[in-house]
Amino acid sequence: QVQVVQSGAEVKKPGASVKVSCKASGYSFGSYPITWVRQAPGQGLEWMGWISVHSDDTNDAQHLQGRVTLTIDPSTRTVYMELRSLRSDDAAVYYCARGGGISALDYWGQGTLVTVSS
Amino acid sequence: EIVLTQSPGTLSLSPGERATLSCRASQSVSSSFLAWYQQKPGQAPRLLIYGTSSRATGIADRFRGSGSGTDFTLTISRLEPEDFAVYYCQQYGRSQTFGQGTKVEIK
Repeated sequence: QVQVVQSGAEVKKPGASVKVSCKASGYSFGSYPITWVRQAPGQGLEWMGWISVHSDDTNDAQHLQGRVTLTIDPSTRTVYMELRSLRSDDAAVYYCARGGGISALDYWGQGTLVTVSS
Repeated sequence: EIVLTQSPGTLSLSPGERATLSCRASQSVSSSFLAWYQQKPGQAPRLLIYGTSSRATGIADRFRGSGSGTDFTLTISRLEPEDFAVYYCQQYGRSQTFGQGTKVEIK
């Protein structure tokens, strides 16, 4: 069965970077992009970007101002999201999901809580 | 960037009633790339509808999506207790956005 499993919670200081992993299993890894979405406490869903596992093509949200990098390790079927120059308003639950581009998000990870605090 | 506006913000209904949720786009969206998700507290979102009207695997037929252009609708024909949640529309493609959500609460 399809599974998407994310790394554990992180606590970071303002200005630092965080790297969250997303390991996929149970399907042909190269057949679907992976998308990242975040949700601040009590707020809605915010699209961050997606990466094509097949071609390494990426597209990320303009409002992140180039602070996010999406990478893939095909050998471990893992996708990584790194967010730099963290601010207090980056505190959120970060989700990865299978899909992106022309595919809706059909399988989601459990979410990773990122806390930003001095 | 395409902005999606959902209405109403909150819908107060009783089990068994019909729910109609609206999603309006700031510019035309391909009907192939409009989805709806359900989210319950403390859980990840769940895909309900993709391509405007196709139900995802395992989704009950009381959930129906419709619309075109800039106006899309999610209808829940008869609310079950487990349907009280927050619902988000999403336009996808190379760039994606979510609506701000509609909360369906028990009246």
